Amino acid sequence: DAKTTQPPSMDCAEGRAANLPCNHSTISGNEYVYWYRQIHSQGPQYIIHGLKNNETNEMASLIITEDRKSSTLILPHATLRDTAVYYCIVRVGYGGSQGNLIFGKGTKLSVKP
Amino acid sequence: DTAVSQTPKYLVTQMGNDKSIKCEQNLGHDTMYWYKQDSKKFLKIMFSYNNKELIINETVPNRFSPKSPDKAHLNLHINSLELGDSAVYFCASSQDFSGHGPQHFGDGTRLSIL
Repeated sequence: DAKTTQPPSMDCAEGRAANLPCNHSTISGNEYVYWYRQIHSQGPQYIIHGLKNNETNEMASLIITEDRKSSTLILPHATLRDTAVYYCIVRVGYGGSQGNLIFGKGTKLSVKP
Repeated sequence: DTAVSQTPKYLVTQMGNDKSIKCEQNLGHDTMYWYKQDSKKFLKIMFSYNNKELIINETVPNRFSPKSPDKAHLNLHINSLELGDSAVYFCASSQDFSGHGPQHFGDGTRLSIL
Protein backbone atom coordinates (compact mmCIF):
# COMPACT_ATOMS: atom_id res chain seq x y z
CA ASP A 1 0.00 0.00 0.00
CA ALA A 2 1.10 3.53 -0.74
CA LYS A 3 2.28 5.45 2.31
CA THR A 4 1.06 8.78 1.00
CA THR A 5 -2.25 10.63 0.73
CA GLN A 6 -2.95 13.02 -2.14
CA PRO A 7 -6.10 14.81 -3.31
CA PRO A 8 -7.61 12.93 -6.25
CA SER A 9 -7.76 15.96 -8.51
CA MET A 10 -6.83 19.62 -8.83
CA ASP A 11 -7.26 22.38 -11.38
CA CYS A 12 -4.78 25.13 -12.17
CA ALA A 13 -4.91 28.08 -14.55
CA GLU A 14 -2.26 28.17 -17.24
CA GLY A 15 0.67 30.36 -16.25
CA ARG A 16 -0.10 30.15 -12.54
CA ALA A 17 1.77 28.12 -9.96
CA ALA A 18 0.44 24.64 -9.30
CA ASN A 19 0.86 23.51 -5.68
CA LEU A 20 0.30 19.79 -5.19
CA PRO A 21 0.13 18.61 -1.57
CA CYS A 22 1.08 15.23 -0.19
CA ASN A 23 0.69 13.79 3.31
CA HIS A 24 3.16 11.17 4.50
CA SER A 25 2.65 11.22 8.25
CA THR A 26 4.26 7.80 8.82
CA ILE A 27 7.46 8.58 6.95
CA SER A 28 10.62 7.10 8.47
CA GLY A 29 13.91 8.90 8.95
CA ASN A 30 15.57 7.03 6.08
CA GLU A 31 12.75 7.52 3.57
CA TYR A 32 12.92 10.01 0.74
CA VAL A 33 9.99 11.81 -0.88
CA TYR A 34 9.84 11.27 -4.64
CA TRP A 35 7.54 12.85 -7.20
CA TYR A 36 6.72 11.35 -10.58
CA ARG A 37 4.08 12.26 -13.11
CA GLN A 38 2.31 10.34 -15.84
CA ILE A 39 1.06 12.18 -18.86
CA HIS A 40 -1.72 10.38 -20.70
CA SER A 41 -0.50 7.36 -22.67
CA GLN A 42 3.09 7.80 -21.55
CA GLY A 43 5.31 6.19 -18.95
CA PRO A 44 5.87 7.83 -15.57
CA GLN A 45 8.41 10.65 -15.57
CA TYR A 46 10.68 11.49 -12.65
CA ILE A 47 10.30 15.06 -11.39
CA ILE A 48 12.21 15.57 -8.16
CA HIS A 49 13.06 14.00 -4.80
CA GLY A 50 14.26 15.10 -1.37
CA LEU A 51 14.96 13.95 2.17
CA LYS A 52 14.76 16.95 4.49
CA ASN A 53 15.74 20.10 2.67
CA ASN A 54 13.72 21.88 0.04
CA GLU A 55 14.82 21.02 -3.46
CA THR A 56 14.55 22.78 -6.81
CA ASN A 57 15.35 21.71 -10.34
CA GLU A 58 14.41 22.83 -13.83
CA MET A 59 11.00 21.22 -13.57
CA ALA A 60 9.74 21.96 -10.08
CA SER A 61 10.37 22.76 -6.44
CA LEU A 62 9.79 20.42 -3.52
CA ILE A 63 8.94 21.87 -0.12
CA ILE A 64 9.12 19.42 2.79
CA THR A 65 7.78 20.46 6.18
CA GLU A 66 10.16 20.48 9.12
CA ASP A 67 8.51 17.43 10.69
CA ARG A 68 8.63 15.72 7.26
CA LYS A 69 5.02 14.62 7.54
CA SER A 70 3.92 16.46 4.44
CA SER A 71 5.32 18.05 1.32
CA THR A 72 4.26 20.23 -1.60
CA LEU A 73 5.33 19.98 -5.20
CA ILE A 74 5.33 23.35 -6.91
CA LEU A 75 5.21 23.83 -10.67
CA PRO A 76 6.00 27.56 -10.85
CA HIS A 77 4.32 28.38 -14.18
CA ALA A 78 1.99 25.58 -15.19
CA THR A 79 1.41 24.94 -18.89
CA LEU A 80 -1.17 22.80 -20.66
CA ARG A 81 1.54 20.17 -21.11
CA ASP A 82 1.74 19.79 -17.32
CA THR A 83 -1.71 18.17 -17.30
CA ALA A 84 -0.98 14.72 -15.85
CA VAL A 85 -1.37 12.45 -12.84
CA TYR A 86 1.21 13.36 -10.19
CA TYR A 87 2.44 10.70 -7.80
CA CYS A 88 4.03 11.36 -4.43
CA ILE A 89 6.03 8.34 -3.26
CA VAL A 90 8.08 7.68 -0.15
CA ARG A 91 10.83 5.13 -0.35
CA VAL A 92 14.00 4.22 1.46
CA GLY A 93 17.21 5.56 0.00
CA TYR A 94 18.70 2.14 -0.67
CA GLY A 95 17.88 -0.78 -2.91
CA GLY A 96 16.14 -4.06 -2.34
CA SER A 97 12.40 -4.56 -2.20
CA GLN A 98 12.11 -1.87 0.47
CA GLY A 99 13.35 0.56 -2.12
CA ASN A 100 10.52 -0.22 -4.52
CA LEU A 101 8.51 2.60 -5.98
CA ILE A 102 4.96 2.06 -4.72
CA PHE A 103 2.54 4.14 -6.74
CA GLY A 104 -0.76 5.25 -5.20
CA LYS A 105 -3.66 6.88 -7.02
CA GLY A 106 -1.92 10.24 -7.36
CA THR A 107 -3.43 13.64 -8.10
CA LYS A 108 -4.87 14.34 -11.51
CA LEU A 109 -3.79 17.89 -12.31
CA SER A 110 -5.75 19.66 -15.05
CA VAL A 111 -4.18 22.86 -16.35
CA LYS A 112 -6.81 25.02 -17.99
CA PRO A 113 -6.33 27.88 -20.49
CA ASP B 1 17.18 9.39 -28.69
CA THR B 2 14.75 7.17 -26.82
CA ALA B 3 16.26 6.26 -23.45
CA VAL B 4 14.01 3.29 -22.62
CA SER B 5 12.24 1.71 -25.56
CA GLN B 6 9.68 -1.08 -25.57
CA THR B 7 8.31 -3.15 -28.41
CA PRO B 8 5.63 -3.67 -29.41
CA LYS B 9 3.61 -0.64 -28.34
CA TYR B 10 0.34 -2.53 -28.82
CA LEU B 11 -0.25 -6.26 -28.54
CA VAL B 12 -3.62 -7.89 -29.15
CA THR B 13 -3.81 -11.65 -28.79
CA GLN B 14 -6.03 -14.49 -27.68
CA MET B 15 -6.23 -16.34 -24.38
CA GLY B 16 -3.80 -19.20 -24.07
CA ASN B 17 -1.18 -17.72 -26.40
CA ASP B 18 2.44 -17.04 -25.47
CA LYS B 19 3.88 -13.59 -26.14
CA SER B 20 7.01 -11.56 -25.45
CA ILE B 21 7.64 -7.88 -24.84
CA LYS B 22 11.09 -6.45 -25.40
CA CYS B 23 12.79 -3.61 -23.56
CA GLU B 24 16.07 -1.86 -24.23
CA GLN B 25 17.76 1.04 -22.47
CA ASN B 26 20.62 3.09 -23.86
CA LEU B 27 21.42 4.93 -20.62
CA GLY B 28 24.14 2.57 -19.45
CA HIS B 29 22.09 1.72 -16.37
CA ASP B 30 22.70 -1.40 -14.30
CA THR B 31 19.13 -1.97 -13.08
CA MET B 32 15.96 -2.62 -15.03
CA TYR B 33 12.35 -3.17 -14.00
CA TRP B 34 8.96 -4.33 -15.24
CA TYR B 35 5.76 -2.72 -13.97
CA LYS B 36 2.11 -3.52 -14.66
CA GLN B 37 -0.60 -0.86 -14.80
CA ASP B 38 -4.08 -2.34 -14.64
CA SER B 39 -7.42 -0.94 -15.78
CA LYS B 40 -7.80 0.98 -12.52
CA LYS B 41 -4.50 2.71 -13.30
CA PHE B 42 -2.60 1.24 -10.35
CA LEU B 43 1.06 0.85 -11.25
CA LYS B 44 2.81 -2.08 -9.55
CA ILE B 45 6.31 -3.43 -9.78
CA MET B 46 6.68 -6.97 -11.08
CA PHE B 47 10.41 -7.62 -11.38
CA SER B 48 13.73 -5.90 -11.08
CA TYR B 49 17.09 -7.02 -12.43
CA ASN B 50 20.51 -5.74 -11.48
CA ASN B 51 23.36 -6.56 -13.84
CA LYS B 52 21.34 -9.36 -15.44
CA GLU B 53 20.42 -10.93 -12.11
CA LEU B 54 16.90 -11.12 -10.71
CA ILE B 55 16.57 -9.01 -7.58
CA ILE B 56 12.84 -8.70 -7.01
CA ASN B 57 9.92 -10.90 -7.98
CA GLU B 58 6.78 -9.43 -6.50
CA THR B 59 4.45 -12.43 -6.29
CA VAL B 60 4.00 -12.58 -10.01
CA PRO B 61 2.62 -15.84 -11.47
CA ASN B 62 5.32 -18.05 -12.89
CA ARG B 63 3.68 -17.69 -16.31
CA PHE B 64 5.66 -14.45 -16.42
CA SER B 65 9.35 -15.01 -17.06
CA PRO B 66 11.75 -12.11 -17.44
CA LYS B 67 14.98 -12.63 -19.36
CA SER B 68 17.99 -10.34 -19.35
CA PRO B 69 20.50 -11.27 -22.07
CA ASP B 70 22.65 -8.28 -21.12
CA LYS B 71 22.24 -5.35 -18.79
CA ALA B 72 20.80 -3.14 -21.55
CA HIS B 73 17.89 -5.50 -22.23
CA LEU B 74 15.11 -6.96 -20.12
CA ASN B 75 12.47 -8.92 -21.98
CA LEU B 76 9.22 -10.24 -20.57
CA HIS B 77 7.78 -13.52 -21.77
CA ILE B 78 4.25 -14.46 -20.82
CA ASN B 79 2.91 -18.01 -21.21
CA SER B 80 -0.72 -19.08 -21.43
CA LEU B 81 -2.12 -15.57 -21.47
CA GLU B 82 -5.26 -14.94 -19.40
CA LEU B 83 -7.90 -12.22 -19.57
CA GLY B 84 -6.52 -10.68 -16.37
CA ASP B 85 -3.19 -10.10 -18.04
CA SER B 86 -4.72 -7.27 -20.06
CA ALA B 87 -2.88 -4.17 -18.90
CA VAL B 88 -0.17 -1.72 -19.82
CA TYR B 89 3.32 -3.04 -19.07
CA PHE B 90 6.10 -0.54 -18.44
CA CYS B 91 9.80 -1.15 -18.51
CA ALA B 92 12.10 1.14 -16.50
CA SER B 93 15.77 1.48 -15.67
CA SER B 94 17.89 3.18 -13.04
CA GLN B 95 21.59 3.87 -12.65
CA ASP B 96 22.04 1.18 -10.03
CA PHE B 97 20.23 -0.53 -7.23
CA SER B 98 21.27 1.89 -4.56
CA GLY B 99 17.83 3.46 -4.60
CA HIS B 100 19.00 7.05 -4.84
CA GLY B 101 18.60 7.68 -8.52
CA PRO B 102 15.41 8.19 -10.49
CA GLN B 103 13.86 5.50 -12.61
CA HIS B 104 13.38 6.17 -16.32
CA PHE B 105 10.31 4.59 -17.88
CA GLY B 106 9.43 3.50 -21.37
CA ASP B 107 6.10 4.43 -22.93
CA GLY B 108 4.50 1.10 -22.23
CA THR B 109 3.13 -1.91 -24.09
CA ARG B 110 -0.64 -2.12 -24.19
CA LEU B 111 -1.60 -5.79 -23.99
CA SER B 112 -5.17 -6.79 -24.78
CA ILE B 113 -6.35 -10.36 -24.39
CA LEU B 114 -9.39 -11.38 -26.41
